[in-house]
Amino acid sequence: KNEVEQSPQNLTAQEGEFITINCSYSVGISALHWLQQHPGGGIVSLFMLSSGKKKHGRLIATINIQEKHSSLHITASHPRDSAVYICAVAGGTSYGKLTFGQGTILTVHP
Amino acid sequence: DVKVTQSSRYLVKRTGEKVFLECVQDMDHENMFWYRQDPGLGLRLIYFSYDVKMKEKGDIPEGYSVSREKKERFSLILESASTNQTSMYLCASSSEDSNSYSNQPQHFGDGTRLSIL
Repeated sequence: KNEVEQSPQNLTAQEGEFITINCSYSVGISALHWLQQHPGGGIVSLFMLSSGKKKHGRLIATINIQEKHSSLHITASHPRDSAVYICAVAGGTSYGKLTFGQGTILTVHP
Repeated sequence: DVKVTQSSRYLVKRTGEKVFLECVQDMDHENMFWYRQDPGLGLRLIYFSYDVKMKEKGDIPEGYSVSREKKERFSLILESASTNQTSMYLCASSSEDSNSYSNQPQHFGDGTRLSIL
């Protein structure tokens, strides 16, 4: 069993829909990261959180430390949100090493 | 803005060759990482470095080595390239927070798609 599990693996939505991607982890963490990867390879850090909730534009990330679970929500989805979304967790080391989930491929149709 | 630059976007090499992948960051970050990304396997850590000349193995170091002679540059070396090392390679960097249990976001390069023939 992977230490970081994401669901769903693939997600197709119509423009305007509310989207949720889930991430569960099995180890103790100091922080959880949500990353976005567009076709072509570049990865961008969206959020880093260790408790509660963060919001940036149409994106919202939440984490429940007790349940070892995080969600990434996209409100009013748009075709430009189509990308791979990756959850990663950081343990207690000071070097910021990450363990990654498999990623969720999101496709938003016009 | 943090800039992490990988020397090549695409690279084709032959089996047995010694291959160098270069990564440079411009934000004076202490930590640098090399990952490979394969379909169905996600991102896997090959090596990381937390200071100049310091390095530690990640999850899949076999067949690879690294060099960090200067703080801004982290090189990945395929000692004798094999076809199973065909992959997307991603470099990342992050700063070291003064609190040892705190973390900083990682900043990624655009990746190098390496093909070994």
